[in-house]
Amino acid sequence: RKEVEQDPGPFNVPEGATVAFNCTYSNSASQSFFWYRQDCRKEPKLLMSVYSSGNEDGRFTAQLNRASQYISLLIRDSKLSDSATYLCVGRSMDSNYQLIWGAGTKLIIKP
Amino acid sequence: NAGVTQTPKFQVLKTGQSMTLQCAQDMNHEYMSWYRQDPGMGLRLIHYSVGAGITDQGEVPNGYNVSRSTTEDFPLRLLSAAPSQTSVYFCASSPGQLQFFGPGTRLTVL
Repeated sequence: RKEVEQDPGPFNVPEGATVAFNCTYSNSASQSFFWYRQDCRKEPKLLMSVYSSGNEDGRFTAQLNRASQYISLLIRDSKLSDSATYLCVGRSMDSNYQLIWGAGTKLIIKP
Repeated sequence: NAGVTQTPKFQVLKTGQSMTLQCAQDMNHEYMSWYRQDPGMGLRLIHYSVGAGITDQGEVPNGYNVSRSTTEDFPLRLLSAAPSQTSVYFCASSPGQLQFFGPGTRLTVL
């Protein structure tokens, strides 16, 4: 099993809709978690950290479910500018706390 | 602040050639790292450094060398380029948990 696994998509979603995607992780990638956003042919940029109690930043909500070993990202009232690839990242408990990256979920918001 | 800068943005090499990818940051971060990104795969760590004079191997170090003589600079050297090293290379620096990435270098090895 990959250490951090994501549905590659693409998710095609109409503007204004709510979209959610999950990321599953293995035990070795379970120290802490983040969501990064990557636009086409650009570098990844931090979207938000994921806290155990769940956290919200504007239209974005991140949740962590340790029992089922997944994290989720919910985007409400989606905008055209939300179109990007969303990368799920876990911090390894083994390899010097290195980051372990999922391959990303591609989101396309359609007008 | 320029943040993290990388040069070149694009490079084409022939098999067997060597080259150095440059990375610099002006945020005084101790931790710097190099990743490669290939289609359908997550970012994979090549080498990292926790401070000047200290480097260590990541997940996929073979075929690459690094050095860290200053806090600001962390160059990545390809010793003898192979087609399998065709990829997008990202340099990152970090003050702690979060990573700040450079714009990337797109490398093609023919």
